[in-house]
Amino acid sequence: DAGVIQSPRHEVTEMGQEVTLRCKPISGHNSLFWYRQTMMRGLELLIYFNNNVPIDDSGMPEDRFSAKMPNASFSTLKIQPSEPRDSAVYFCASTPQVGLGTDTQYFGPGTRLTVL
Amino acid sequence: EDQVTQSPEALRLQEGESSSLNCSYTVSGLRGLFWYRQDPGKGPEFLFTLYSAGEEKEKERLKATLTKKESFLHITAPKPEDSATYLCAVQAAAGYSTLTFGKGTMLLVSP
Repeated sequence: DAGVIQSPRHEVTEMGQEVTLRCKPISGHNSLFWYRQTMMRGLELLIYFNNNVPIDDSGMPEDRFSAKMPNASFSTLKIQPSEPRDSAVYFCASTPQVGLGTDTQYFGPGTRLTVL
Repeated sequence: EDQVTQSPEALRLQEGESSSLNCSYTVSGLRGLFWYRQDPGKGPEFLFTLYSAGEEKEKERLKATLTKKESFLHITAPKPEDSATYLCAVQAAAGYSTLTFGKGTMLLVSP
């Protein structure tokens, strides 16, 4: 299995630009999570989907952030417009099914975002 | 609100010098406590899940234990390749609950 795939691995952009991060979960996994990791705040959950439906987006910092999951094998996290404080590593994770006892989350390699 | 506190923030050991990492937690009913390892520039890698007080799990030089308030990750005779950040996370028992992570312990093992 290829594991969770994220792209791009690195993104450098200028303030005000739109940024789109992509994630392909492990085949057969029904739940997908987006996290942000910084030195100050650690790993924070932004949003998660179950069967392609957003369940909890309370971690999304503000309206500049949006996430979609159009099908079981693809999700995007978009920041528009981007700001320097959005600089962080963004991780995607997937799990077979939240709440059914097998809740181990498997993480992708992350996207390191730098907003200048 | 679920909370996870890990200590120490950083730990430096000599190769072969055993030690323990601590994860203290508060959660409204524990479904599971998870340990992950994270290498620089990579995503967290799953190590263990513990479900109830008294449970222990082992993998090579690592052993994780769980009480009602904390978990320990014991590292026996560590090697330089054990150097990484170790993350602890809890999952509450209620509904579609997610993981709450601690900030991690950065472990450096010197040869």
